[in-house]
Amino acid sequence: DAGITQSPRHKVTETGTPVTLRCHQTENHRYMYWYRQDPGHGLRLIHYSYGVKDTDKGEVSDGYSVSRSKTEDFLLTLESATSSQTSVYFCAISETGAIPPHGYTFGSGTRLTVV
Amino acid sequence: EDKVVQSPLSLVVHEGDTVTLNCSYEVTNFRSLLWYKQEKKAPTFLFMLTSSGIEKKSGRLSSILDKKELFSILNITATQTGDSAIYLCAAPHGSGNTGKLIFGQGTTLQVKP
Repeated sequence: DAGITQSPRHKVTETGTPVTLRCHQTENHRYMYWYRQDPGHGLRLIHYSYGVKDTDKGEVSDGYSVSRSKTEDFLLTLESATSSQTSVYFCAISETGAIPPHGYTFGSGTRLTVV
Repeated sequence: EDKVVQSPLSLVVHEGDTVTLNCSYEVTNFRSLLWYKQEKKAPTFLFMLTSSGIEKKSGRLSSILDKKELFSILNITATQTGDSAIYLCAAPHGSGNTGKLIFGQGTTLQVKP
């Protein structure tokens, strides 16, 4: 989507290696989110950020850390990747913490495979 | 614990059929319910519902919320192959305005020619 870019789009990594996924936005939105999507589970929130250096955990945060050193970038790190972290990862952005009438915008996703 | 449950999980229909997708929820401090359509990539927004009994409509898609019975439905009339997608419902949850969404499992709709 215009305004939000995820990188890489696809990645294959080995168990035990660190992996960092990047979400970059050009909308100057305050809130950013990382979700993972797995069959049978819909999307589940990993971590979110409500400002530079302000982050909090979501429902499936174990094994993940995040950082937001500037408004436009929100990084998701798997310190030591495991096969259970094979998933599709979506970033989302929002102007405010109140869901706007048009919902919020998702990136195109990163497909991560841990072998 | 908050939860959102969708049914059916998958559905196969033929072009021209009408489908109804269901979403039930148990969310503390309920504020709104959202529907998204997901084709191959990012979920795209369809509707946000906040008031009970008021139908939202966009072309062949419509949705309604029942806050008494804690559910929402998404109707698609005269289905087309382009309607094939995963349909997700979600609700904001948690205290305060954080924008956190809790999603249902999704309904995978396949429309055959």
